[in-house]
Amino acid sequence: AQTVTQSQPEMSVQEAETVTLSCTYDTSESDYYLFWYKQPPSRQMILVIRQEAYKQQNATENRFSVNFQKAAKSFSLKISDSQLGDAAMYFCAYRDRSNTGKLIFGQGTTLQVKP
Amino acid sequence: DTAVSQTPKYLVTQMGNDKSIKCEQNLGHDTMYWYKQDSKKFLKIMFSYNNKELIINETVPNRFSPKSPDKAHLNLHINSLELGDSAVYFCASSQSGRTDTQYFGPGTRLTVL
Repeated sequence: AQTVTQSQPEMSVQEAETVTLSCTYDTSESDYYLFWYKQPPSRQMILVIRQEAYKQQNATENRFSVNFQKAAKSFSLKISDSQLGDAAMYFCAYRDRSNTGKLIFGQGTTLQVKP
Repeated sequence: DTAVSQTPKYLVTQMGNDKSIKCEQNLGHDTMYWYKQDSKKFLKIMFSYNNKELIINETVPNRFSPKSPDKAHLNLHINSLELGDSAVYFCASSQSGRTDTQYFGPGTRLTVL
């Protein structure tokens, strides 16, 4: 069974600095998707970034980028120029290409941004 | 013009009651999901429907019964509520295909007293 692990329960970063959140996963599949979702105190789940496993190029969305290491089964999220609004819980998620399409989530990392 | 909406956002009820949570999406997606987020913030899939057909039914007590009247709606009915059912329930939707990213509703916080 696939699993997703986020080993950092909490992280903090100074405003305007860069922070990296870690995620590792376990799967025997070769084609799958990986996601980072943000959950602010409002509890809304917001998609931050998506990576398709067959693409070697790391995904980037403005200040958010990933370091996707397929062989190591690692998918870290880098937030550059951190802003106060980035403070939230961040979830790494995995989805394979089966018809079920279910997301398997990590435990989450709470990010604190200090002014 | 909310993409995925849920009602109610908060639900407080007594043990043993029956309650429903409704979900609607206006994204034209063909797949909808229910996830449960427990008190430790862990998120887990409960059910999924594709074109009104049940395709995922995780090990959820049969007190939970999803119903999909059409592709845009997926409701969750819970019978004989228990204390352990207290959680946040999220509805999500996606369009099946290669890039079927799931979009989430605002969540329903269920508190069972």
